[in-house]
Amino acid sequence: QSALTQPRSVSGSPGQSVTISCTGTSSDVGGYNYVSWYQKHPGKAPKFIIYDVSKWPSGVPDRFSGSKSGYMASLTISGLRADDEADYYCCSYGNNYRWVFGGGTKLTVL
Amino acid sequence: EVQLVESGGGLAQPGGSLRLSCAASGFTFSSYNMNWVRQAPGKGLEWVSYISRTSDTIYYADSVRGRFTVSRDNGKSSLYLQMNSLRAEDTAVYYCVREPGAAVTFDIWGQGTVVTVSS
Repeated sequence: QSALTQPRSVSGSPGQSVTISCTGTSSDVGGYNYVSWYQKHPGKAPKFIIYDVSKWPSGVPDRFSGSKSGYMASLTISGLRADDEADYYCCSYGNNYRWVFGGGTKLTVL
Repeated sequence: EVQLVESGGGLAQPGGSLRLSCAASGFTFSSYNMNWVRQAPGKGLEWVSYISRTSDTIYYADSVRGRFTVSRDNGKSSLYLQMNSLRAEDTAVYYCVREPGAAVTFDIWGQGTVVTVSS
């Protein structure tokens, strides 16, 4: 059950866009369209912001968008705001072992 | 308000046991599959276990299989995680997490309970 691969950190200025990648294998990201993304602020519970690769839960702004190509999923955040600063985790449904998370990416808003 | 509240965390010795509980409210607990997810200090999230609505399907991560047991009591709207043979690497915040019926994701998370395994 290897974790999905995410960059450890990304950064951007307010108003800019950033993209966080999430690389898996044919057994998880590449095999299923069940990639979710979670936003986690320190000391808080994770909040799901994207599911089924590119769908938005109710209440999540469309500044957050998801996509997938092959074994790589991506989360793009446009119009960066100070409160977007958080850790972001991707997660994919996978063969046999149900769920696998990425190692997390720390987003810094400069 | 839809809510999940974990309890039962604390300090345990290596080789010891703890039982975590998760109380659900604000929704029909018996209609949802449930999971446990943990986060070790300074680490990412790790899925731990899954239990179906009727408890007929259960899965575990390799790291806990044979040591942890997930269960639920739909009459009490509660989810449990019995943790035996605890190791230092089980030290983490443990989250109770709901899977929505119409999508393959985790939509509701509890605030977490802290488990520390140390002598």
